[in-house]
Amino acid sequence: DAKTTQPTSMDCAEGRAANLPCNHSTISGNEYVYWYRQIHSQGPQYIIHGLKNNETNEMASLIITEDRKSSTLILPHATLRDTAVYYCIVSHSGANSKLTFGKGITLSVRP
Amino acid sequence: GAVVSQHPSRVICKSGTSVKIECRSLDFQATTMFWYRQFPKQSLMLMATSNEGSKATYEQGVEKDKFLINHASLTLSTLTVTSAHPEDSSFYICSARMGGQGNTIYFGEGSWLTVV
Repeated sequence: DAKTTQPTSMDCAEGRAANLPCNHSTISGNEYVYWYRQIHSQGPQYIIHGLKNNETNEMASLIITEDRKSSTLILPHATLRDTAVYYCIVSHSGANSKLTFGKGITLSVRP
Repeated sequence: GAVVSQHPSRVICKSGTSVKIECRSLDFQATTMFWYRQFPKQSLMLMATSNEGSKATYEQGVEKDKFLINHASLTLSTLTVTSAHPEDSSFYICSARMGGQGNTIYFGEGSWLTVV
C-alpha cells in the first residue's frame, strides 16, 4: 500500500475549520484514502474515505486533488472534542487489504 | 457507523498466566478481523489478520504461539496472550471489515492489558 505523509501537529481555534493535509504521491489507481482519528486511550474512529471524488458526511469533508497525490480532511467547525490524532491511510479496498498506521497528525483545538 | 466491541476493556493478570480478549462485530458479519497493539505514545502496530474459519496471518516478528487468534464465527474473534510477561502490557485493539463500498474497517474500543 502507498505511504502517506502528514505534518506532526497542528492546532486551530474552536469553531473554526480544521484543514488536515495528507500527501500520498505514490497512490495507485485502486487505492482509497481513509481517515481515522484516535482520541486518547480509545480505539480509532472511522471518519471518512474516498477514491477520487470529494466526499462529505456528518463528521467531515474529504477533498482529494485531481491527481490523487494529496488530500485534505476538513472539520468544518472544530470543537474541543475533536482534539485527537488523525490518521490518513491509503489502502486497497479488497478483502485481503489491511490498514497500516503511520504516526498521524495531532490536532489540538484551543478554546 | 458499525459497532465493534471488545471485552474486557481492562485486565490485569499475573506473569505467566494467559488472558483472552474478545472482539465482536455487533451489527454486521465480518469475514476478516484485525488485531493491533499500541504502546504508549506510539502508533498502532498490526499483529495479525484473522479470517473466519481459517488460520490467522501474523505480521513479521509476531509470535503466533504466544498470541493465539481464533475467529470461530462471523462476529467473534479472540486473542489469547499466552504466558504473559510484563513486556506484553499494552493496549490491544481489534477491528473488523464491513463489506460494501470501500470495505470500511471499524475498530473496537481497545483493551488495556497489564501484566504484573
